[in-house]
Amino acid sequence: AQSVTQLDSQVPVFEEAPVELRCNYSSSVSVYLFWYVQYPNQGLQLLLKYLSGSTLVKGINGFEAEFNKSQTSFHLRKPSVHISDTAEYFCAVSSKFSGGYNKLIFGAGTRLAVHP
Amino acid sequence: EAQVTQNPRYLITVTGKKLTVTCSQNMNHEYMSWYRQDPGLGLRQIYYSMNVEVTDKGDVPEGYKVSRKEKRNFPLILESPSPNQTSLYFCASSLVPSSYEQYFGPGTRLTVT
Repeated sequence: AQSVTQLDSQVPVFEEAPVELRCNYSSSVSVYLFWYVQYPNQGLQLLLKYLSGSTLVKGINGFEAEFNKSQTSFHLRKPSVHISDTAEYFCAVSSKFSGGYNKLIFGAGTRLAVHP
Repeated sequence: EAQVTQNPRYLITVTGKKLTVTCSQNMNHEYMSWYRQDPGLGLRQIYYSMNVEVTDKGDVPEGYKVSRKEKRNFPLILESPSPNQTSLYFCASSLVPSSYEQYFGPGTRLTVT
């Protein structure tokens, strides 16, 4: 079975500072990895994904994440955050389920609060 | 515009009063799914559908029903809502069940008193 652990429930940071949101996963099979962002009062939007290939993936709004297989991690980073990055961020894994579909398993979420 | 729509966006109801939350997608997607989001728990899958007339339970199906009579629609039915079903609900879809990327609706905030 797969599981996802987001190590920080809340991350406060000042504007223009760098930020890292941590995500660890467990799985006995190969997985796809995702970060979703949820802005206040909105649905989830895909930020970036790792399917295969380069372990450093770039997403929208200047975010990037690095897949580390040995540490089973997929941490999200941004070198300089803006007020508009204030949102909740979800890490998710997906793998082939026994029913033949790709099932998404979500972490509990990390609330990023950017302060001026 | 390609999208997943949900109605209503906000709903306050009382215990035991049947309700339906609608979900519709205009992308001709085969796979659709319902999630509930609760603080500290992330999103958990309630039910999913691999195609028309094919539905199955997710991780937290108790107290919910679904149907998939048409490809575009996947309503979530609460026959007798209870306060522990107060939550934020999301519908999602993907092109085929094996697709790795899902598209989410805007969410429905349900309060059961």
